[in-house]
Amino acid sequence: GQQVMQIPQYQHVQEGEDFTTYCNSSTTLSNIQWYKQRPGGHPVFLIQLVKSGEVKKQKRLTFQFGEAKKNSSLHITATQTTDVGTYFCAGLDYKLSFGAGTTVTVRA
Amino acid sequence: SQTIHQWPATLVQPVGSPLSLECTVEGTSNPNLYWYRQAAGRGLQLLFYSVGIGQISSEVPQNLSASRPQDRQFILSSKKLLLSDSGFYLCAWSVRQWAGAQYFGPGTRLLVL
Repeated sequence: GQQVMQIPQYQHVQEGEDFTTYCNSSTTLSNIQWYKQRPGGHPVFLIQLVKSGEVKKQKRLTFQFGEAKKNSSLHITATQTTDVGTYFCAGLDYKLSFGAGTTVTVRA
Repeated sequence: SQTIHQWPATLVQPVGSPLSLECTVEGTSNPNLYWYRQAAGRGLQLLFYSVGIGQISSEVPQNLSASRPQDRQFILSSKKLLLSDSGFYLCAWSVRQWAGAQYFGPGTRLLVL
């Protein structure tokens, strides 16, 4: 069945540095979504990518959908303490499948 | 605007006891509804989804069940809880099934002892 994998599982970042988290699917996706869950909170929708090679930006966050529509990445520049949390990707095949998430901690 | 409510926020239950978690959505009609479970430090496991009143699809066989008695009400139940049922239960809704954003409720933290 469909599997969505995220790496790394944990990301420890110095404040001000950049980092990237990756999402890979075993099947070709119709779209991919990204969510953020703050510690103790619930997942919040960030963005959806639909087209092959699509790139979208939200302030310091850059989201990319791979050409083959089987992978995606989230790049955060100049990490801030407000970026702390777990970032999930969710890929749509015949249903939406969530990755296990990348948990981000920030060193001030 | 649309809002989604879940209650209770936290729950501690003994093994073998029944369970009923409720989720309601306001400000939209005919939402697609979902129940997820999140184990500590883990991803989201889809348990049930519903496209309409009385229509429930189960993703994972287990001792849980779901019902949708009204358009904007989704209930998660169990007759006898297991230790492995502990976790963070999240209800979500979307306009379109699967495609488009899912909007999550605040969740219920369940501890089975």
